Amino acid sequence: DIQMTQSPSTLSASVGDRVTITCRASQSINSWLAWYQQKPGKAPNLLIYKASSLESGVPSRFSGTGSGTEFTLTISSLQPDDFATYYCQQYNSYSYTFGQGTKLEIK
Amino acid sequence: QVQLQESGPGLVKPSETLSLTCTVSGGSISNFYWSWIRQPAGKGLEWIGRIHSTGSTNYNPSLKSRVTMSVDTSKNQFSLKLTSVTAADTAVYYCARDKGVWFGDLYSYYYYMDVWGKGTTVTVSS
Repeated sequence: DIQMTQSPSTLSASVGDRVTITCRASQSINSWLAWYQQKPGKAPNLLIYKASSLESGVPSRFSGTGSGTEFTLTISSLQPDDFATYYCQQYNSYSYTFGQGTKLEIK
Repeated sequence: QVQLQESGPGLVKPSETLSLTCTVSGGSISNFYWSWIRQPAGKGLEWIGRIHSTGSTNYNPSLKSRVTMSVDTSKNQFSLKLTSVTAADTAVYYCARDKGVWFGDLYSYYYYMDVWGKGTTVTVSS
């Protein structure tokens, strides 16, 4: 099974900050990675797919990079609505695995 | 736009079978894969498995022995059964649509989940 490791687990930041979350795969997954945002009591919401493609309707301050085993999600200028938990997800060999999540908190 | 709604009992007794249904509205269930994902309170997301509208399935190896999924295209619904449940199966259960992207150079599809239901809480307790 492919394991996904996110870092950090928790991130404290302020409105207007630029933040980066990292996701590492235990083996190469090409660019088969998605990022989701989840707010308390809500379902996850797709932000990025295929490592760097922005889902329709998602603000352009969100961006994704990477391929192989290392990936990043960057929020260029944090807005109040962005404080949430973020998950990466890989797809490979007819199976999905999620990272453990990164909670983005207000500093 | 496509919407998903999970339904089923909110309370299941230990050792019994958890049964949930996801109803697809605003679009057809045909020609897509549909996934189940769960999330214990305060924890991360775990993929349970998926089913194609044709009935083809893929399951998480860690749950495979207890999971069965089915699809009813006439009702635009798909379902999950999880047998021999324990307290560890207590979670919010989500259904989602898998969207596929063709990678010609790798001769393979890549999938991700683009539409999610709101989730339903299932508690396993006597």
